[in-house]
Amino acid sequence: GESVGLHLPTLSVQEGDNSIINCAYSNSASDYFIWYKQESGKGPQFIIDIRSNMDKRQGQRVTVLLNKTVKHLSLQIAATQPGDSAVYFCAERYNFNKFYFGSGTKLNVKP
Amino acid sequence: SAVISQKPSRDICQRGTSLTIQCQVDSQVTMMFWYRQQPGQSLTLIATANQGSEATYESGFVIDKFPISRPNLTFSTLTVSNMSPEDSSIYLCSVQTSLEQFFGPGTRLTVL
Repeated sequence: GESVGLHLPTLSVQEGDNSIINCAYSNSASDYFIWYKQESGKGPQFIIDIRSNMDKRQGQRVTVLLNKTVKHLSLQIAATQPGDSAVYFCAERYNFNKFYFGSGTKLNVKP
Repeated sequence: SAVISQKPSRDICQRGTSLTIQCQVDSQVTMMFWYRQQPGQSLTLIATANQGSEATYESGFVIDKFPISRPNLTFSTLTVSNMSPEDSSIYLCSVQTSLEQFFGPGTRLTVL
């Protein structure tokens, strides 16, 4: 297995503020990246993806930024809502169809 | 998209026993994956299961411990054999359609 992390870092934000969740990926050959949201007791849910030939991709209230120079990925959530509270994982694809997951960040939205 | 169901959703098992987890997908998919998520941690790929061939296991996982079946394009099973408390985890089934990867709800296993 690849993923590591005994304790999830937590990001606490006020409702209505913007959130930025960061992820460092491991392999410079990775060509595709996904952000997942995992709520308690559920499987990961796809949020947004980005290919390695892009730097930025926007969805509804979410933006993913990719910096290949430093192997860094970020997820920006605009106007964060209580329903955004969850654990967020980035995943990288670097071996055909295999995805490897980052350690995750817990987002806590305060009303 | 793909809708994935898993059975059981959770179980409590005794040390030394085995548990088989079922994964059902609502569409035919070539590649299915099994992941483990230990408490408070991220997801770790156990193996890739393709229909008609033996599963491919990741480093640290072996077939004797985690035998997998893939009898058709919509179904797979993962068995956790000779369980110990260290096997307590959430086990997740996943499939790929084009580029997106979808996950089942997971099976929460507790080994006493």
